[in-house]
Amino acid sequence: EPEVTQTPSHQVTQMGQEVILRCVPISNHLYFYWYRQILGQKVEFLVSFYNNEISEKSEIFDDQFSVERPDGSNFTLKIRSTKLEDSAMYFCASSEEWGTEDYEQYFGPGTRLTVT
Amino acid sequence: AQSVTQPDIHITVSEGASLELRCNYSYGATPYLFWYVQSPGQGLQLLLKYFSGDTLVQGIKGFEAEFKRSQSSFNLRKPSVHWSDAAEYFCAVGLSGGGADGLTFGKGTHLIIQP
Repeated sequence: EPEVTQTPSHQVTQMGQEVILRCVPISNHLYFYWYRQILGQKVEFLVSFYNNEISEKSEIFDDQFSVERPDGSNFTLKIRSTKLEDSAMYFCASSEEWGTEDYEQYFGPGTRLTVT
Repeated sequence: AQSVTQPDIHITVSEGASLELRCNYSYGATPYLFWYVQSPGQGLQLLLKYFSGDTLVQGIKGFEAEFKRSQSSFNLRKPSVHWSDAAEYFCAVGLSGGGADGLTFGKGTHLIIQP
């Protein structure tokens, strides 16, 4: 069964450094998403991406964050200057066209980001 | 803005007993409703979803959920739990306006199975 993959599984970085989290969505999917889950808290939506541009973003997704689909398979989340509070599990998800009965967001296993 | 409430942070159930996990949502219209399960170290796996039609939906692993519009609820049930059901369960809502909208999740319910 197709699945969303994410690398690395765990990333440790120092405060102020840039990090890039990578995701490979399911190949025929059209919508791509990033979510985060701070330890012990709920999963929060960051951004959605469709047709090579950001579709929606939450208030969490400020200027420190950016997303990119650099080629036909990868989808990346960049944090320019990490802060301690960016430590979280980051989930990538992808989905087919909205409105079909088969619609669902498929989640990857996550990247645990630790900012020290 | 929509919100999701899962009032039970932890639930402990004996193996073989029945289970009900509660979920209430706040949204002006009927949202799309989902239940996801997260095992330790794993991503989120969809258990079931409700878009329209029959308000009792069947999912994977023997789970079902019932949408009750009058109570703004979408509770998850299983008649007999197995030790492998121990995990974190998340209720989520999506707006019916399009695929670009992110899901809004509840805080999750941690399910513990007693032998």
